[in-house]
Amino acid sequence: DVKVTQSSRYLVKRTGEKVFLECVQDMDHENMFWYRQDPGLGLRLIYFSYDVKMKEKGDIPEGYSVSREKKERFSLILESASTNQTSMYLCASSFGTGSPSANYGYTFGSGTRLTVV
Amino acid sequence: QKEVEQNSGPLSVPEGAIASLNCTYSDRGSQSFFWYRQYSGKSPELIMFIYSNGDKEDGRFTAQLNKASQYVSLLIRDSQPSDSATYLCAVKNYGQNFVFGPGTRLSVLP
Repeated sequence: DVKVTQSSRYLVKRTGEKVFLECVQDMDHENMFWYRQDPGLGLRLIYFSYDVKMKEKGDIPEGYSVSREKKERFSLILESASTNQTSMYLCASSFGTGSPSANYGYTFGSGTRLTVV
Repeated sequence: QKEVEQNSGPLSVPEGAIASLNCTYSDRGSQSFFWYRQYSGKSPELIMFIYSNGDKEDGRFTAQLNKASQYVSLLIRDSQPSDSATYLCAVKNYGQNFVFGPGTRLSVLP
């Protein structure tokens, strides 16, 4: 069974801490994504990567950075956690661009619910 | 700004009825369309994919696409209480990212 695995299901951190969220996929997907999901705001794209060592800013990159040193692993880093970063964080992966008729839907990880106190 | 809009709901239907979920999108360049189901506290899971105009059926689910009207819908026949979830519409253009709608919360009443 294909999987996107996020390292933690629940995480509680203190304001100002550096936080690492890890995501690993075993599907040989080129693309990986980090989203946060908040009630009433839906899914918002933080960062994404189409290849190893490549990263692109999404819609809300402020306060975050990412690292992709290996194809299967995409890490989200909160440089100095703040309470407004309390959220559900979702990692996703997909194959690269192909024909529109190809089902290159995202596979999501189970999510990390981060609380910053 | 590329947008995907959905009625937030909740949409309530009785068990056994047809649930109809709607989604409109603003980017005429959109190429493929996805429906995700998300149970409370869980991550989204892909349930339907459509890329050409018309209907696509998979079990109790039917996706309908009308590119001229920039409209995609999801029909759930014989709705069950286990179908109660939030349904996310996602749209993909020539790029590799999706644009997600805010989701419609569906409640199927026993």
